[in-house]
Amino acid sequence: RKEVEQDPGPFNVPEGATVAFNCTYSNSASQSFFWYRQDCRKEPKLLMSVYSSGNEDGRFTAQLNRASQYISLLIRDSKLSDSATYLCVVKFGGNQFYFGTGTSLTVIP
Amino acid sequence: GAGVSQSPRYKVAKRGQDVALRCDPISGHVSLFWYQQALGQGPEFLTYFQNEAQLDKSGLPSDRFFAERPEGSVSTLKIQRTQQEDSAVYLCASSLGGDDTQYFGPGTRLTVL
Repeated sequence: RKEVEQDPGPFNVPEGATVAFNCTYSNSASQSFFWYRQDCRKEPKLLMSVYSSGNEDGRFTAQLNRASQYISLLIRDSKLSDSATYLCVVKFGGNQFYFGTGTSLTVIP
Repeated sequence: GAGVSQSPRYKVAKRGQDVALRCDPISGHVSLFWYQQALGQGPEFLTYFQNEAQLDKSGLPSDRFFAERPEGSVSTLKIQRTQQEDSAVYLCASSLGGDDTQYFGPGTRLTVL
């Protein structure tokens, strides 16, 4: 079983739609949580960290449920430029960062 | 300022050849990570340096993989006797500290024929 599991998608949504991604992790001792964005054939870039209280950055909202060991990312009012792969990342045990396989999003005009 | 750079960007090797991949982290970043990303997968952790010390190499898939960061800045990932299953994008990331945001380089796409 992988440490971090994501639905690979693809998710194809129209512009303006709201879309949500979930990610589950296996290690209850996980310490830190992140969402990264990766465009095709590019390097991953940090989208946002995920805090226990939940956090919002513009159209993006991230939430953490430690009891159920899942993380979510909500994107409101989707833009064409949101098309990318979204990677869930969990840190536990020293400095090991575990990435999910990524969820592919395509926003359609 | 300059980001993380990696070279070469593309490398084609014949099976059995040795390769060396270079990473130049952001100046002043203490932590440096190497990841392997296969097609359609997320990055997988290989190894971690804090300055020149390799604190974790548990992700290196075999003893053919070796990484170093002798002066605490530039790092090299070496793969000996490359195999086809080594074909992947090798990503380097650096951060100020181990818990800080990781900044990734563009990666080296290795193809082993």
